[in-house]
Amino acid sequence: SQKIEQNSEALNIQEGKTATLTCNYTNYSPAYLQWYRQDPGRGPVFLLLIRENEKEKRKERLKVTFDTTLKQSLFHITASQPADSATYLCALVRNSGYALNFGKGTSLLVTP
Amino acid sequence: EPEVTQTPSHQVTQMGQEVILRCVPISNHLYFYWYRQILGQKVEFLVSFYNNEISEKSEIFDDQFSVERPDGSNFTLKIRSTKLEDSAMYFCASKPGGTGNTIYFGEGSWLTVV
Repeated sequence: SQKIEQNSEALNIQEGKTATLTCNYTNYSPAYLQWYRQDPGRGPVFLLLIRENEKEKRKERLKVTFDTTLKQSLFHITASQPADSATYLCALVRNSGYALNFGKGTSLLVTP
Repeated sequence: EPEVTQTPSHQVTQMGQEVILRCVPISNHLYFYWYRQILGQKVEFLVSFYNNEISEKSEIFDDQFSVERPDGSNFTLKIRSTKLEDSAMYFCASKPGGTGNTIYFGEGSWLTVV
């Protein structure tokens, strides 16, 4: 069966450090992978999309890598801030191509 | 910035009752979705809707559920004969046409079945 696995434990880091979140997947052959942010009680918000032919994608303090051989994506937040505290979701397109499946997410807490 | 709007934000219903959750997707988007998130669990796909018909549904989306786009703007999720385990946050989402586009989520409707 298809699985999207993210760090199950919460990640606590100090302000200013780099947070690294992991997404591993099985039984997908994705053309692209997406990362979303979800705050408590809110809907997911799109952050970044990386295609299979892109090794790395950056947006401001965010960086995503995508290794289709390892079936893994890494999500980095550099110079982290308390406002970055949220749950970060990895998402892959379903086989039908119409919708996304989400991982359970990794909760990030950035402390001053 | 255009956004997906959902109503109600919170609804409490008696077990066995029917509920309708409403959504106004972003105009000019072509794909519409409903997702559900039980407290503490992952965001789960329920159904996708394109060209006025269901394009895909998950195993969760059984005969208890139905979707409708009654006019050019609204997109509804009906849950018949609600059960306690239907208590969850329900997210509506929409996407422009083409591949590789991101999905835009609403803020959710929190359903509590008592």
